[in-house]
Amino acid sequence: EPEVTQTPSHQVTQMGQEVILRCVPISNHLYFYWYRQILGQKVEFLVSFYNNEISEKSEIFDDQFSVERPDGSNFTLKIRSTKLEDSAMYFCASSESGTTDDGYTFGSGTRLTVV
Amino acid sequence: AQSVTQPDIHITVSEGASLELRCNYSYGATPYLFWYVQSPGQGLQLLLKYFSGDTLVQGIKGFEAEFKRSQSSFNLRKPSVHWSDAAEYFCAVGVRYGGATNKLIFGTGTLLAVQP
Repeated sequence: EPEVTQTPSHQVTQMGQEVILRCVPISNHLYFYWYRQILGQKVEFLVSFYNNEISEKSEIFDDQFSVERPDGSNFTLKIRSTKLEDSAMYFCASSESGTTDDGYTFGSGTRLTVV
Repeated sequence: AQSVTQPDIHITVSEGASLELRCNYSYGATPYLFWYVQSPGQGLQLLLKYFSGDTLVQGIKGFEAEFKRSQSSFNLRKPSVHWSDAAEYFCAVGVRYGGATNKLIFGTGTLLAVQP
């Protein structure tokens, strides 16, 4: 069964450093998403991406965040200057149709720890 | 505003016992509702979904859920729990723009432990 692959599974970074979280969506999917879950809190929508541009972003997704599809297979989330409160599990997801009618396919997540 | 509430943070059941995980939602229109499961080290896997029609929906792994509009609930059930069901379960509502479901709003999750 096709999978969404996220790397690394766990990343530790110092406050103020830049971090890039990587995702390889399912190959025929065109819509990509990032969600995050701070420990003990809800899974929250960050951003959706289609046709090489952001479709929608949440209030969390401020100027410190950016997304990119640098090539035909990767989808990345960059945090420019990490803060302690960015520590969370980050989930990438992809969708063929842009809707959740078939349920997004989520990756297994990257646990980001900012120290 | 749209929201999802899962009142139970942690539930422990015995293997073979029945299970019900609660989910309440707040959404202005007819909701698109989902249950996801996350096993340790795994991604979020879709268990089942409700869009319309029969209010009792069947999913994978023997799970079912019932949509009750009057109670704004979408509770997940399983008649007999297996040890492999130990995981975290997330209820979500789909927020739609222009008829398509574009993002999910999740609850905080319920962590299920299964005793032998």
